[in-house]
Amino acid sequence: NAGVTQTPKFQVLKTGQSMTLQCAQDMNHEYMSWYRQDPGMGLRLIHYSVGAGITDQGEVPNGYNVSRSTTEDFPLRLLSAAPSQTSVYFCASSKFLTETQYFGPGTRLLVL
Amino acid sequence: GESVGLHLPTLSVQEGDNSIINCAYSNSASDYFIWYKQESGKGPQFIIDIRSNMDKRQGQRVTVLLNKTVKHLSLQIAATQPGDSAVYFCAEKGGNNFNKFYFGSGTKLNVKP
Repeated sequence: NAGVTQTPKFQVLKTGQSMTLQCAQDMNHEYMSWYRQDPGMGLRLIHYSVGAGITDQGEVPNGYNVSRSTTEDFPLRLLSAAPSQTSVYFCASSKFLTETQYFGPGTRLLVL
Repeated sequence: GESVGLHLPTLSVQEGDNSIINCAYSNSASDYFIWYKQESGKGPQFIIDIRSNMDKRQGQRVTVLLNKTVKHLSLQIAATQPGDSAVYFCAEKGGNNFNKFYFGSGTKLNVKP
């Protein structure tokens, strides 16, 4: 199993540009989530999904959209990038009931 | 939202000593807690978890203690090794938020050889 994969590893955007961060898992996990990690801070939940077709907001959802058309994929879309969205983004997945989350390697995003 | 914080942002220990990393949480309804290890440039890695109906749980060289009375969580690492150097996070799942986790800001563990 590849586990949780994320692409790209690093991205530079200009203010106002849009992009999609990809996340995929091959463990047949129902639960997937997106976090952002800023320097000196813990992870903050952006959006999460408890299964295909079901998504919900986390702590910091503004400026981000998600969709879950398949069990495997959970892309995160930045609609109009802002410098405040400069961060490291982590995707995670878990079996719905066991709750242990497995994290991807992260995407470093720089918005100029 | 819930508040999960740490008492010590940086902890330095000698190789071979035991390490204790502490975490405070604010939501008494939280029913599940996880400790993660994050090495530089990598995603968090699961270490050990504990449910609110337990006070203690042991893994390989690690022990998690939960004190619900004072809403305190700790991670004990026995015989700390250089490979244990990393940032450690506690995470809390709120009892009313079925699958939302709240993370503390992290403690950096430095292991001196």
